[in-house]
Amino acid sequence: QQPVQSPQAVILREGEDAVINCSSSKALYSVHWYRQKHGEAPVFLMILLKGGEQKGHEKISASFNEKKQQSSLYLTASQLSYSGTYFCGTEIGGANSKLTFGKGITLSVRP
Amino acid sequence: DTGVSQDPRHKITKRGQNVTFRCDPISEHNRLYWYRQTLGQGPEFLTYFQNEAQLEKSRLLSDRFSAERPKGSFSTLEIQRTEQGDSAMYLCASSPPTLGLAGDTQYFGPGTRLTVL
Repeated sequence: QQPVQSPQAVILREGEDAVINCSSSKALYSVHWYRQKHGEAPVFLMILLKGGEQKGHEKISASFNEKKQQSSLYLTASQLSYSGTYFCGTEIGGANSKLTFGKGITLSVRP
Repeated sequence: DTGVSQDPRHKITKRGQNVTFRCDPISEHNRLYWYRQTLGQGPEFLTYFQNEAQLEKSRLLSDRFSAERPKGSFSTLEIQRTEQGDSAMYLCASSPPTLGLAGDTQYFGPGTRLTVL
């Protein structure tokens, strides 16, 4: 079951904040966030695990609401380099299963 | 530390021809995934391997598609009798076996862009 991402698109000015969401109709084991720039492969940003553990590589924070089966990615003080398409990949049904990706959210940061 | 590599990066073919793509995963990763991505969409799962065993194949995957990972290292994805609808970016990813369990994730290669004329 493909997760639903919202909003569909975000336009920001440099320095502004944004929240993007990922919702599932099924219980989530983990949520993996990626950013993809045009013509490039998706790059890993952060993983959120059932139980609240987070693991990421960049100064981006996220939350995982197991009850609502939803994850949110928080982009604060946005930079031009944050522009791209953000995908969430969800792991359903427990550990060691594959990821199912949403359609993505296009985020544009303008000077 | 080398990442996931894919070859070729671009492929243009005529309808009806067969094409084969190669993926070399991160060396210590025993899981390998193939995805297809079209414009404006997220990566769509095709199939995945754990070592040389193909554990799952998407029900949406036509019989014209076949993937192998004979020695549990690199993998190939073959598309037979290509159609214009096969035009897409084909992404390969790899991961350790404990996806999510220990905070591990999938790492994507640069992709192979296929254009079927």
